[in-house]
Amino acid sequence: QSALTQPASVSGSPGQSISISCTGTSSDIGGYDYVSWYQQHPGRAPKLLIFDVANRPSEVSDRFSGSKSGNTASLTISGLQAEDEADYFCSSYTSANDWVFGGGTKVTVL
Amino acid sequence: QLQLQESGPGRVRPSETLSLTCAVSGFAIRDGYYWGWIRQSPGKGLEWIGSFYTSGNTYYNPSLKSRVSISVDTDKNEFYLKLTSVTATDTAVYYCAREHLAHWGYPEYWGQGLLATVSS
Repeated sequence: QSALTQPASVSGSPGQSISISCTGTSSDIGGYDYVSWYQQHPGRAPKLLIFDVANRPSEVSDRFSGSKSGNTASLTISGLQAEDEADYFCSSYTSANDWVFGGGTKVTVL
Repeated sequence: QLQLQESGPGRVRPSETLSLTCAVSGFAIRDGYYWGWIRQSPGKGLEWIGSFYTSGNTYYNPSLKSRVSISVDTDKNEFYLKLTSVTATDTAVYYCAREHLAHWGYPEYWGQGLLATVSS
């Protein structure tokens, strides 16, 4: 069982916006602004999409955005595209000086 | 162009030590950044193993700390993972990565991954 809770699946039509939630506790997400999100296509290594809750690496599309409220972080994908179909994982720094991940969310583009 | 490549045995026997190498090209490890290991198994998903900076700081997952060590050879531009007393639950795809400048623990550039199976 993962430390952070994500929905197993989320779906949307092309062009729509979807959000993926990631729920933790005050010892991880709620206590620090060190939340990251990763995209993983089948058979590939994960790709860093978001760090420090809402920042994007320079090469990541601005269709991906992150936010946090209390113990829950969220990833929003706007203008959904077929290539966005993948697994998405959240991660947070914790009070134990380590990092924990969510179980992953499968995004399906209808 | 930065590239990372994991290597090591694909199969390890229970109770033995898993030893993996990450060969880095396109950037000198000694020039900075944090570097780390992450694994992914069907049962436990993604799991952070540990991160290090060449000038000293090393961090380990507390749940693995008694069994794991990360070391580096800057002359070979490689870093290493050793995990002792392995069991079937250590079966996973192991990734090495260079972490984002913002903070250790954000793997940004990943190797392709290596499947290590613990089996007799």
